[in-house]
Amino acid sequence: NAGVTQTPKFRVLKTGQSMTLLCAQDMNHEYMYWYRQDPGMGLRLIHYSVGEGTTAKGEVPDGYNVSRLKKQNFLLGLESAAPSQTSVYFCASSYSLSGGLTDTQYFGPGTRLTVL
Amino acid sequence: TQLLEQSPQFLSIQEGENLTVYCNSSSVFSSLQWYRQEPGEGPVLLVTVVTGGEVKKLKRLTFQFGDARKDSSLHITAAQTGDTGLYLCAGRGPSGTYKYIFGTGTRLKVLA
Repeated sequence: NAGVTQTPKFRVLKTGQSMTLLCAQDMNHEYMYWYRQDPGMGLRLIHYSVGEGTTAKGEVPDGYNVSRLKKQNFLLGLESAAPSQTSVYFCASSYSLSGGLTDTQYFGPGTRLTVL
Repeated sequence: TQLLEQSPQFLSIQEGENLTVYCNSSSVFSSLQWYRQEPGEGPVLLVTVVTGGEVKKLKRLTFQFGDARKDSSLHITAAQTGDTGLYLCAGRGPSGTYKYIFGTGTRLKVLA
């Protein structure tokens, strides 16, 4: 099993360009998450999904869109990139046990995005 | 908005020393997790605590969930260089929610 994979690993964009980050998991997990990590701020939730075809907003959703057309994939889109979106992006997946209280989130290796 | 503050933000100690990292909030969490993250990788789960006052041990690491489920601590005994990394706590909201709030992180460096 590959676990959680993210594509691409690195990307440099110019302001105003668009791109899509792909997250794939092979563990048949229901829940998937997109986070961004910035120095001194831990991880902040952008969007998440509790199942195929459903998405919801997290703490910092502005400027991002997501789609979950297939259970194993969760896409994060930037329609018009801004320098403030320079960050490391992590995808995670989990499945629900015991009412979700003890879920383990499995993280991908991250995508380092720079917006000039 | 739920916030999780971790302290200290940075910690540099000698191998063999003990240390404690704190994770504090004014909000109640249904469960709390601790992760460790190595450079260039995603976080990896260390432990989940659910019950107020719960203590869990993982070899030299001891985790405690506060009685009111608003805070947690991670204590490392006789730190080793392999403990170096970024430690993150993450709190889960009321039962039925799927969102986790991550703490600000504690960067630990253990010197040989």
